[in-house]
Amino acid sequence: GAGVSQSPSNKVTEKGKDVELRCDPISGHTALYWYRQSLGQGLEFLIYFQGNSAPDKSGLPSDRFSAERTGGSVSTLTIQRTQQEDSAVYLCASGQAGHWEQYFGPGTRLTVT
Amino acid sequence: GESVGLHLPTLSVQEGDNSIINCAYSNSASDYFIWYKQESGKGPQFIIDIRSNMDKRQGQRVTVLLNKTVKHLSLQIAATQPGDSAVYFCAELGAGGTSYGKLTFGQGTILTVHP
Repeated sequence: GAGVSQSPSNKVTEKGKDVELRCDPISGHTALYWYRQSLGQGLEFLIYFQGNSAPDKSGLPSDRFSAERTGGSVSTLTIQRTQQEDSAVYLCASGQAGHWEQYFGPGTRLTVT
Repeated sequence: GESVGLHLPTLSVQEGDNSIINCAYSNSASDYFIWYKQESGKGPQFIIDIRSNMDKRQGQRVTVLLNKTVKHLSLQIAATQPGDSAVYFCAELGAGGTSYGKLTFGQGTILTVHP
């Protein structure tokens, strides 16, 4: 079946611009996670959606970062007024309710020039 | 604070050798520890997990060992193949409260397998 998909695969933007990154989770998965992976680093947790519960935003690095999940499915991560330090691969993962396993998408590589 | 880290950032082995990738963790409260493999341009893929009440678990060509006394996790890959070349991450699953469901990743080890 289809896995987690993310778009775009690559995004180059100028410093100060806003960007939106999209994640399509596996159908039926109620949990959705966003992570950031800087070059040569591990994955840094950003935000977690679980069903209709309020999202866990504890990993968002600043108020320039926000995420939405519409209809319990597709999620959009928005970065406002991008900075060069925002350059990274942004990974999305989804999972089933009551199961810890997370299935990752291929990521979006964001480059801020 | 909570952290999961790796001893060796890079590992080079010859095809057919066994590989051992190590990881140290600091949070004893986690219920699961997981190893992921990440190939270039792809998201992490699950390899194997181990529950905190176990000390060893075997999969196909892989074995994970958990030593809770010294908070150490290792991944052993038998008869390493060129296709095993990737970055390997250990991760810890949050046990509860605000950590529940969240994975905390280590920095990663780059495994290079030479034919």
